[in-house]
Amino acid sequence: SQQGEEDPQALSIQEGENATMNCSYKTSINNLQWYRQNSGRGLVHLILIRSNEREKHSGRLRVTLDTSKKSSSLLITASRAADTASYFCATITSGTYKYIFGTGTRLKVLA
Amino acid sequence: DTGVSQNPRHKITKRGQNVTFRCDPISEHNRLYWYRQTLGQGPEFLTYFQNEAQLEKSRLLSDRFSAERPKGSFSTLEIQRTEQGDSAMYLCASSFDREGHETQYFGPGTRLLVL
Repeated sequence: SQQGEEDPQALSIQEGENATMNCSYKTSINNLQWYRQNSGRGLVHLILIRSNEREKHSGRLRVTLDTSKKSSSLLITASRAADTASYFCATITSGTYKYIFGTGTRLKVLA
Repeated sequence: DTGVSQNPRHKITKRGQNVTFRCDPISEHNRLYWYRQTLGQGPEFLTYFQNEAQLEKSRLLSDRFSAERPKGSFSTLEIQRTEQGDSAMYLCASSFDREGHETQYFGPGTRLLVL
């Protein structure tokens, strides 16, 4: 079963607005990663946040991590139509090599 | 192009046939992963190689699935006696470990349809 669960499952916003999506996980982790997948294609790595970090920025992306709540959020500011994609969080349980991806948030940015 | 490549990109087969997919990782990456993804779901871990050694395999993987990575370079994933439930996108990813933290680079995937 998937460890990561994202919410919302789907999100539709206007260009220029901010998009926030959340991820929850179940076990101890070394890091949490966010990936983007455009329709029918492979995944692209967006950002990695380590378990001892609370917040990280990369361009228009802001990620937070709360290990006490086992949750993370991804904020995309000033969204663009090109941000339309599915977004997945991925975690790896300490001591294993098995990455667990969530079910994803499907983001649609309307021009 | 030095990204991860996968072949074929699409495969249609009849139930009961065997299929084999190939993944060529980024050359300096020692880690290689296979995933399966069905519509509307996230990638599901299948197996992991470090160099040529297969170090982890999903318990969900039946005996019909086998993967190899000879010489620690390219990898193949074979599905024997395919079933309709095997229809999915098969993704390969490679990475290089950096002090326990890594970024996976994904290939474009092989889309399998079992009739």
